[in-house]
Amino acid sequence: DADVTQTPRNRITKTGKRIMLECSQTKGHDRMYWYRQDPGLGLQLIYYSFDVKDINKGEISDGYSVSRQAQAKFSLSLESAIPNQTALYFCATSYEQFFGPGTRLTVL
Amino acid sequence: TQLLEQSPQFLSIQEGENLTVYCNSSSVFSSLQWYRQEPGEGPVLLVTVVTGGEVKKLKRLTFQFGDARKDSSLHITAAQPGDTGLYLCAGEIWNQAGTALIFGKGTTLSVSS
Repeated sequence: DADVTQTPRNRITKTGKRIMLECSQTKGHDRMYWYRQDPGLGLQLIYYSFDVKDINKGEISDGYSVSRQAQAKFSLSLESAIPNQTALYFCATSYEQFFGPGTRLTVL
Repeated sequence: TQLLEQSPQFLSIQEGENLTVYCNSSSVFSSLQWYRQEPGEGPVLLVTVVTGGEVKKLKRLTFQFGDARKDSSLHITAAQPGDTGLYLCAGEIWNQAGTALIFGKGTTLSVSS
């Protein structure tokens, strides 16, 4: 079983819809991260959490929110999706950055 | 602001050739990591360098951290088709909340047989 899982793996939605991407980990790590990846832009940090009570904004947090429901779960929400949020989203854990398989999100 | 500049952005070579990928910044990093990403998957950590001037080897891959901890390089000897992928460098910086990783834009490597 994968140590870091993300659901859904693919999602197509419409502008204005609320979307939640979920991340779960079995590694027992305190640190969890959300990134988005766009072609030619590398990985950009959206939010990160060092423990359940600690949430921090990353480089591009506008338009996103997160929830750390438990040590093992870190969810990313798009309150009102827009087309330029179409991207590949990755969750990662720990300083060493163990990445999940990614969620491909398309906003029409 | 892009703190980490990676070059080249694309590299297409023949099997057996050597190559070097560079990661440069004007900022000093506490550490620097290199990742490899294959299509449809998340990045996988290859190595972390911490000390200025440090050199680490991973089979045919050699990683070097600059003396001033502002730059790094990845050298692949005798590249093979299995080396094909996106190579990302990431530097650790300190901010108000603690530490965070800043990623370069990546180098897409294609090795043909």
